[in-house]
Amino acid sequence: QKEVEQNSGPLSVPEGAIASLNCTYSDRVSQSFFWYRQYSGKSPELIMSIYSNGDKEDGRFTAQLNKASQYVSLLIRDSQPSDSATYLCAVNGLWAGGYNKLIFGAGTRLAVHP
Amino acid sequence: GAVVSQHPSWVICKSGTSVKIECRSLDFQATTMFWYRQFPKQSLMLMATSNEGSKATYEQGVEKDKFLINHASLTLSTLTVTSAHPEDSSFYICSAIKTGGSYEQYFGPGTRLTVT
Repeated sequence: QKEVEQNSGPLSVPEGAIASLNCTYSDRVSQSFFWYRQYSGKSPELIMSIYSNGDKEDGRFTAQLNKASQYVSLLIRDSQPSDSATYLCAVNGLWAGGYNKLIFGAGTRLAVHP
Repeated sequence: GAVVSQHPSWVICKSGTSVKIECRSLDFQATTMFWYRQFPKQSLMLMATSNEGSKATYEQGVEKDKFLINHASLTLSTLTVTSAHPEDSSFYICSAIKTGGSYEQYFGPGTRLTVT
């Protein structure tokens, strides 16, 4: 099992719709969870962080965390064509090797069409 | 803010030569920086964790003698690709964590290395 899993997509949604991106992780002791957005040819940009169970909202973005199910998601409301990018889920925890590091999922490609 | 810069943004070098890439945190101090590599259409792969004033911690499969990391100050880490080969051509990205902050990593813009 991969440490952080995401559906590679592409996830195609119409402009104005809600895009729902999902991520599961394997380490039960993970404490910090992040969503990054990466445009083609660019480096990742942090858009959300979440540390406790429940929802966290920031503008059009809502992150949801369920530690019992080892599941984290990102909702993008009122999707815009400019949201078209790859979204990377990242989990920080005490992985093999005995030290904290950030593990990235493979990313989900989101395409918002007008 | 949390701005991280990298230099150069792109570089072309000949096989067998060495290339140094700089990563700077511009408006914060970073005890810990990270170096990633990303091949086309693949996710980020952590190469090493760089801690100021100490030796870097390399991920399994990454040759420490080939990828030299120096984190000499709280705002600068360098990655030197020694004896580069075409298979080292990739997108190299650094990130930094604010000293005393959370685990949020802020990424530099990346360096595209092409080895001919």
